[in-house]
Amino acid sequence: DIVMTQSPDSLAVSLGERATINCKSSQSVLSSSKNKDCLAWFQQKPGQPPKVLISWASTRESGVPDRFSGSGSGTDFTLTISSLQPEDVAVYYCQHYYTTPWTFGQGTKVEVK
Amino acid sequence: EVKLVESGGGLVQPGGSLRLSCAASGFILSSNWMHWVRQAPGKGLVWVSRINADGSSTIYADSVKGRFTISRDNAKNTLYLQMNSLRAEDTAVYFCIRSSGYPDYWGQGTLVTVAS
Repeated sequence: DIVMTQSPDSLAVSLGERATINCKSSQSVLSSSKNKDCLAWFQQKPGQPPKVLISWASTRESGVPDRFSGSGSGTDFTLTISSLQPEDVAVYYCQHYYTTPWTFGQGTKVEVK
Repeated sequence: EVKLVESGGGLVQPGGSLRLSCAASGFILSSNWMHWVRQAPGKGLVWVSRINADGSSTIYADSVKGRFTISRDNAKNTLYLQMNSLRAEDTAVYFCIRSSGYPDYWGQGTLVTVAS
């Protein structure tokens, strides 16, 4: 199974400042057929299901604010929140969908400093 | 609007069974592969099972293989997860997920609690 490792486990950022979350996969998640990385980022708030923010490593979902961006390729990926807002307090997960079993990072809790 | 609504969760004794349902609306279920993912209280996300569009191919996490069965009724636009021989460690919120090449829609989840 592909192991997804996120860092840090938690992050406290001042409002308006940048938050950066890293995700490393134990092997490449690049789809040769699509020439895209099979990597998604999710936001989960308490009592809610995960909400997909980013797919294919860098494609923002419709309706997701443009302060969220995804980058990286191969085995190293990053989610950046360019200017943290109060509503961004949540746990963020990366996940590969390159093959089954899908696996998820352990989550990064983002709080306001 | 795409919606996935899970039901069937509840409290069950160890060794018992439950069948979860996931009612899909706003899209044609037969067009998509579907997955179940679970989340134990206060823990992370764990993939459970996947079924292809016509139901001819299924795959399971090792932790549930031989105990859980994923199925679908495309005519009823419904996905199922039959869970047998339940254990305390199966306690979790179970989410059904649509895959359109990537996991794009999640249901709200249904809580399964395995306890005596």
